[in-house]
Amino acid sequence: GQQVMQIPQYQHVQEGEDFTTYCNSSTTLSNIQWYKQRPGGHPVFLIQLVKSGEVKKQKRLTFQFGEAKKNSSLHITATQTTDVGTYFCAGHSGAGSYQLTFGKGTKLSVIP
Amino acid sequence: EAGVTQSPTHLIKTRGQQATLRCSPISGHTSVYWYQQALGLGLQFLLWYDEGEERNRGNFPPRFSGRQFPNYSSELNVNALELEDSALYLCASSSGFSGANVLTFGAGSRLTVL
Repeated sequence: GQQVMQIPQYQHVQEGEDFTTYCNSSTTLSNIQWYKQRPGGHPVFLIQLVKSGEVKKQKRLTFQFGEAKKNSSLHITATQTTDVGTYFCAGHSGAGSYQLTFGKGTKLSVIP
Repeated sequence: EAGVTQSPTHLIKTRGQQATLRCSPISGHTSVYWYQQALGLGLQFLLWYDEGEERNRGNFPPRFSGRQFPNYSSELNVNALELEDSALYLCASSSGFSGANVLTFGAGSRLTVL
């Protein structure tokens, strides 16, 4: 079945440093979604990417979808303590599959 | 607009007992998904219901079951509880089934099995 792998599992950064998490799928994806889960909270939708090579920005967050639509990344510029949490990617392979497959997430800690 | 609501917030059971968790989706959403999140782990897909039918099931034993009611609310039942069932159980809803649909999660039900 479809597998979505995410690295790194953990990342500790100094406040102000940049952060990147990577997501790789074993199959071509029709779209990819990113979610953020704050400590003690529940996953909240951030963004969806659909097109090959698509890049979207939300303030200090930049999301990319690979040309082959098998990988994606989330980059945060100049991290802040409010960025703390676990970031999950979730992919949908299409082809009659109507279910998102989540990566295991990257837990971000920001040291003030 | 009310979000996805789950109850109870916390539940403590002992081994061998049964647990029932409930979920009310966002108004107008017909799909309900259940995920298990054990401490420090990712989201493990449990069950997906849409229009009252079970559409897909994750790699969990049959003692994990559920149903969706005509009003699209759902319940998850876990029979013969084991210690490793202790986890946060998250419910999410979406408007119909399509891979492009975004999931809206509830706050979760934390199940502790002693």
